[in-house]
Amino acid sequence: EAGVAQSPRYKIIEKRQSVAFWCNPISGHATLYWYQQILGQGPKLLIQFQNNGVVDDSQLPKDRFSAERLKGVDSTLKIQPAKLEDSAVYLCASRATLGAGTDTQYFGPGTRLTVL
Amino acid sequence: AQKITQTQPGMFVQEKEAVTLDCTYDTSDPSYGLFWYKQPSSGEMIFLIYQGSYDQQNATEGRYSLNFQKARKSANLVISASQLGDSAMYFCAMREGPGSEKLVFGKGMKLTVNP
Repeated sequence: EAGVAQSPRYKIIEKRQSVAFWCNPISGHATLYWYQQILGQGPKLLIQFQNNGVVDDSQLPKDRFSAERLKGVDSTLKIQPAKLEDSAVYLCASRATLGAGTDTQYFGPGTRLTVL
Repeated sequence: AQKITQTQPGMFVQEKEAVTLDCTYDTSDPSYGLFWYKQPSSGEMIFLIYQGSYDQQNATEGRYSLNFQKARKSANLVISASQLGDSAMYFCAMREGPGSEKLVFGKGMKLTVNP
């Protein structure tokens, strides 16, 4: 079974530029999460989708961050405009909602963003 | 207040020895789940083990076991027979409530396995 895929793996941009990250969850996983992990900290949830609907975006800085999951599979996270403090690893995770192992979130390799 | 506390910033262990990574948590919800993830330098968060608050026995997965002490609110990860590939960051996380989806992570700790 293929894991969670993310691209790009690395991105360097200048402040005030825009950037987008892509995530493809494990096949059949209805729930998808985006986390932000700042250096030296644990991941922090930004947004959670159930199929193509938003379940929790309470910690998403909506003035500059946006995310969508149009067909309930792939998801895109966008930052516009980027700030220096957005430098972090952006992790995508997915979770099954049916069958065994529904408690566990499985993570992708992450996208390391550097804002100069 | 911190929900998940990992006080050890770093640990060193000799290859083939056992090591215990500490995690304490804070919740008033009777239903919760505890997770350990491993993050190597490549960046991916790798799921290791899960313990539900109502599970009667400590969880085990191969060389990983979770020492769950509910009254003390601790969920320590035990790695038996350490391997060089175990060198990584380790994160403890908690999901509160039966309907909650959100994982709250600790700050992590770095394990280095020496040959």
